[in-house]
Amino acid sequence: QLQLQESGPGLVKPSETLSLTCIVSGGSTSSTSYYWGWIRQAPGKGLEWIGTFHYTGSTFYNPSLESRVTISADTSKSQFSLKLSSVTAADTAVYYCARRAVGAGAGWFDPWGQGTQVTVSS
Amino acid sequence: DIVMTQSPDSLAVSLGERATINCKSSQSVLYSFTNKNYLAWYQQRPGQPPKLLIYWASTRESGVPGRFSGSGSGTDFTLTISSLQAEDVAVYYCQQYFSTPLTFGQGTKLEIK
Repeated sequence: QLQLQESGPGLVKPSETLSLTCIVSGGSTSSTSYYWGWIRQAPGKGLEWIGTFHYTGSTFYNPSLESRVTISADTSKSQFSLKLSSVTAADTAVYYCARRAVGAGAGWFDPWGQGTQVTVSS
Repeated sequence: DIVMTQSPDSLAVSLGERATINCKSSQSVLYSFTNKNYLAWYQQRPGQPPKLLIYWASTRESGVPGRFSGSGSGTDFTLTISSLQAEDVAVYYCQQYFSTPLTFGQGTKLEIK
């Protein structure tokens, strides 16, 4: 059964770079059948798609974050990462990693990791 | 961007009764070549990540109880829980995957009356 687990610092200082890793077990990020992505949820708010990537190198980012986001993979370790630069308090959120199906236009996320809280504060 | 708007923001329903949640997209998410609606529904219980319930607007994910159903087409969609159970207390989100950026509704909080 596929499982995803986020890891990374829970506290990041303003203007610094947020770095998170998603470890995939029971599956591989080198599968051509799936995208792998990040979604976040600010306190008391809804869900915001950050971006997704495919093993072939294709990446898609939310235009609202594109200038600050990089998603990449380490297929040898079956994990992928998120880097978000120049963070502010508005980037405080629970960050989720998730798998997205590929093919025939599929675009839902399943499964999701448990999420990791990241707070931006000095 | 396609804006997804859910209604109501919150809902209280008695156990065993029907719960209905609506989702409206700012433009159609029906792709004419496939005749499919690019819309999914998720359930997020307190302290948990979202869980996929329905995709293609009306296809129930494996393992999801039959009391959950999705309907609608184009810009107007509905998630229905036919007989509310205590474990259905959660926030429900719709999501469009017709175009990027992928976008979600603001969520509907479902409680027991």
